[in-house]
Amino acid sequence: AQSVTQLGSHVSVSEGALVLLRCNYSSSVPPYLFWYVQYPNQGLQLLLKYTSAATLVKGINGFEAEFKKSETSFHLTKPSAHMSDAAEYFCAVSDPLATGANSKLTFGKGITLSVRP
Amino acid sequence: EAQVTQNPRYLITVTGKKLTVTCSQNMNHEYMSWYRQDPGLGLRQIYYSMNVEVTDKGDVPEGYKVSRKEKRNFPLILESPSPNQTSLYFCASSSPRGRAYEQYFGPGTRLTVT
Repeated sequence: AQSVTQLGSHVSVSEGALVLLRCNYSSSVPPYLFWYVQYPNQGLQLLLKYTSAATLVKGINGFEAEFKKSETSFHLTKPSAHMSDAAEYFCAVSDPLATGANSKLTFGKGITLSVRP
Repeated sequence: EAQVTQNPRYLITVTGKKLTVTCSQNMNHEYMSWYRQDPGLGLRQIYYSMNVEVTDKGDVPEGYKVSRKEKRNFPLILESPSPNQTSLYFCASSSPRGRAYEQYFGPGTRLTVT
């Protein structure tokens, strides 16, 4: 079974500061990994994804994440936070070889990012 | 525009009154899924469908039904809603067949059962 751990439920940063949202995964096979963002009163939007190509993945809105197999991590970063980054962020994992019931996304519990002026 | 649509976006109902939340996608995706989102629990899969007439339970299927008669539509049915089904519901679709690659999400349906 796969799982995702997002430690903490809330992160607060100042505008212009580094954003670091942590994600650790558990998987018995090389996984596919995703970060989704949910703005208030909206659905989930894909930020970026790792599908076994480059380990450093660049996404939309200046975000990037690095897949580190040795640490089973896929942390999300952005060099300089903007007020518009305030949202909830979800890390998710899937098994690229799975079919049937196992072909699904398993989500972490999410982290709310607040950005202070 | 590629999208997943859900209706209604907001729904308040009473215990026991049957309801249906519709989901439709225009991307010809084989795989569709329903999730519920609850504070502190993230998203949990309710049901999924690999293709037309092929559906199966996810992690929290109790109290829900689905059908997949057409490729584009995947309605969620609550035959006798209860207050513990008050939640935010998302429909999602993806391709290629059977693989949970990038999933596209609808805007969500906020359901309140009193």
